[in-house]
Amino acid sequence: AQTVTQSQPEMSVQEAETVTLSCTYDTSESNYYLFWYKQPPSRQMILVIRQEAYKQQNATENRFSVNFQKAAKSFSLKISDSQLGDTAMYFCAFMEPSGAGSYQLTFGKGTKLSVIP
Amino acid sequence: NAGVTQTPKFQVLKTGQSMTLQCAQDMNHEYMSWYRQDPGMGLRLIHYSVGAGITDQGEVPNGYNVSRSTTEDFPLRLLSAAPSQTSVYFCASRDGPGNSPLHFGNGTRLTVT
Repeated sequence: AQTVTQSQPEMSVQEAETVTLSCTYDTSESNYYLFWYKQPPSRQMILVIRQEAYKQQNATENRFSVNFQKAAKSFSLKISDSQLGDTAMYFCAFMEPSGAGSYQLTFGKGTKLSVIP
Repeated sequence: NAGVTQTPKFQVLKTGQSMTLQCAQDMNHEYMSWYRQDPGMGLRLIHYSVGAGITDQGEVPNGYNVSRSTTEDFPLRLLSAAPSQTSVYFCASRDGPGNSPLHFGNGTRLTVT
């Protein structure tokens, strides 16, 4: 079974600074999908960014970017110019490309990020 | 476009009571699922469905039942509530295999006393 590990239960960053959240995963698949979800205090789950393992180029979405290291099975999230609205729980998630595993996300335990004014 | 709608938002049950958490989506998604979120545990899959009439178990299915009679609806039933089922429950849907993302409902906070 795939596992996703987020080794930083809590982090903080000053407003306007840059922060990187870590995520590692374990799989024997060669192709798969990776996601970062944000959960603000409102409890809503919001997709931040996604990466397909066969794409070598790192995904970016405005201030959010990833550092995808396939050989190391690492998928970190970088938030640039941090804003107060970035305060949230962040979950890393993994999904297989086909079969029964293609219908479920395996989540890490989350990293609680606080942006300090 | 409402997306994924969950009801109720909050619920308190006594041990042994039963109830149904409702989930509906209006995006014509084939795949629907239920997750529970517990502190320090992330989200764990309870049950999922890949289409009307088809359901399967996830990681933590015990104590829960599901059915999928229509594409739109995927209710989660607690047969006899236990304090261990105190959690936040999320329903989610997606288009199908591939990298299409999960669309989540806003969650139901359930407390079992």
